[in-house]
Amino acid sequence: DAGITQSPRHKVTETGTPVTLRCHQTENHRYMYWYRQDPGHGLRLIHYSYGVKDTDKGEVSDGYSVSRSKTEDFLLTLESATSSQTSVYFCAISDLYNEQFFGPGTRLTVL
Amino acid sequence: GNSVTQMEGPVTLSEEAFLTINCTYTATGYPSLFWYVQYPGEGLQLLLKATKADDKGSNKGFEATYRKETTSFHLEKGSVQVSDSAVYFCALSGGGLTGGGNKLTFGTGTQLKVEL
Repeated sequence: DAGITQSPRHKVTETGTPVTLRCHQTENHRYMYWYRQDPGHGLRLIHYSYGVKDTDKGEVSDGYSVSRSKTEDFLLTLESATSSQTSVYFCAISDLYNEQFFGPGTRLTVL
Repeated sequence: GNSVTQMEGPVTLSEEAFLTINCTYTATGYPSLFWYVQYPGEGLQLLLKATKADDKGSNKGFEATYRKETTSFHLEKGSVQVSDSAVYFCALSGGGLTGGGNKLTFGTGTQLKVEL
């Protein structure tokens, strides 16, 4: 299995609070991605990174920001959590043109 | 833009039955196609892939053939087991991201339940 961990695995928070999710890899892959999974939508790309300090938006980036200060870590921040951001969040990694490997996910509930 | 359509679930089968999960796609260019599987409480795992037309991907008894003429990548297995119960996602890669990343577009997933 690819070495990808996500923390926390579960989180419950209140509307309006900031939340940071962490993705950590031990594979030294260049590309890292954040997705959210919602019923009826499959997985949708939030943000991705193509190198240290190089990030860009995906299709559902509003309300989210990311940072990557080291190859192995990719942080996703919800600046002010809303109930619509209740979801399961997955991190993925890849090398150029190769398949993506996914982490175990973080279940976030915003009350 | 790119899109993936897969059959609605849940699909419920008896053990040893034949499985087909339909997947069709819309894409520009020549995408690679994937099937991912998600077991309860886990992340997605790559099940199989095909990178060009007429390629057949296979793994663990599952197969899918990249059909460009019908824009399809249907997943099949000849004899399912209870342990195959999971959610299956069809996906395609294409439309390169800034910096060369590999953008995946997913279908909505099909839940498979296999009963004894």
